[in-house]
Amino acid sequence: DTAVSQTPKYLVTQMGNDKSIKCEQNLGHDTMYWYKQDSKKFLKIMFSYNNKELIINETVPNRFSPKSPDKAHLNLHINSLELGDSAVYFCASGARGATSTDTQYFGPGTRLTVL
Amino acid sequence: GDSVTQMEGPVTLSEEAFLTINCTYTATGYPSLFWYVQYPGEGLQLLLKATKADDKGSNKGFEATYRKETTSFHLEKGSVQVSDSAVYFCALINAGGTSYGKLTFGQGTILTVHP
Repeated sequence: DTAVSQTPKYLVTQMGNDKSIKCEQNLGHDTMYWYKQDSKKFLKIMFSYNNKELIINETVPNRFSPKSPDKAHLNLHINSLELGDSAVYFCASGARGATSTDTQYFGPGTRLTVL
Repeated sequence: GDSVTQMEGPVTLSEEAFLTINCTYTATGYPSLFWYVQYPGEGLQLLLKATKADDKGSNKGFEATYRKETTSFHLEKGSVQVSDSAVYFCALINAGGTSYGKLTFGQGTILTVHP
C-alpha cells in the first residue's frame, strides 16, 4: 500500500510546454506539500495546502500553479517550462492541528527534465 | 529566518566505521528536529526526530540528541553498513509564526560506505 504516490515518475519535455504532476496520499492527512530538489540535492518548500486551502506559497514563479481538489490530492501544473525548472519534485503529506506529529511523509519524486 | 547547516560532504567510510554528521540550526522558538534519509533513486524517509530539548531520537542504530544550548542535532551511528549509503538531510519544523509546518532542510550530506 503506497502512502504517498506521484505520477509520473519521470517527465521529459521541451521548453515552453505545459505539464502537470499529480500526487495522492492515503494516510488521511489534512496537509500536503510540494518540495523542489535541485541538482545539488538541496530541498526547498514550494507550496502547502491544508484542507484544500493554500497556506504556504514560497517565492515561486506564477508559472507554477498548485491545485488541491480534495484533502487526498495535490497537483502541480507548470506553464511555459524553462530549462531551470529541471529538478526532482517531491510531494509530501502530514497531519496538522491536534493530531499533528510534525512528521511528513514523502512520495517517490518526479524527475522533470526540460530540454 | 530559520536555517539548517550540515557538515560538508561527501563522507566516505569503511564498513563498521563510526559515523558523525554534524547539524546545527537557527530558529526562533522551539522547533522540532528531524533527520531524513534518501536512498538512491528514492524519496525521503524519516530516519528519526526529536521534538524538545535533550530528547534523543533513535532508529536503525542511528541516534541524534536535541541540544538547545549548542543548537545542534548531530547524527551518529556506531558501525555503518554498506546499505547505509545514502543522502542524509537534517531538517526542522518551527511550529511558531507563519511556518505552517514547512520543513527547512540542510543541504544534505552524501554518505558512501565501502565494504
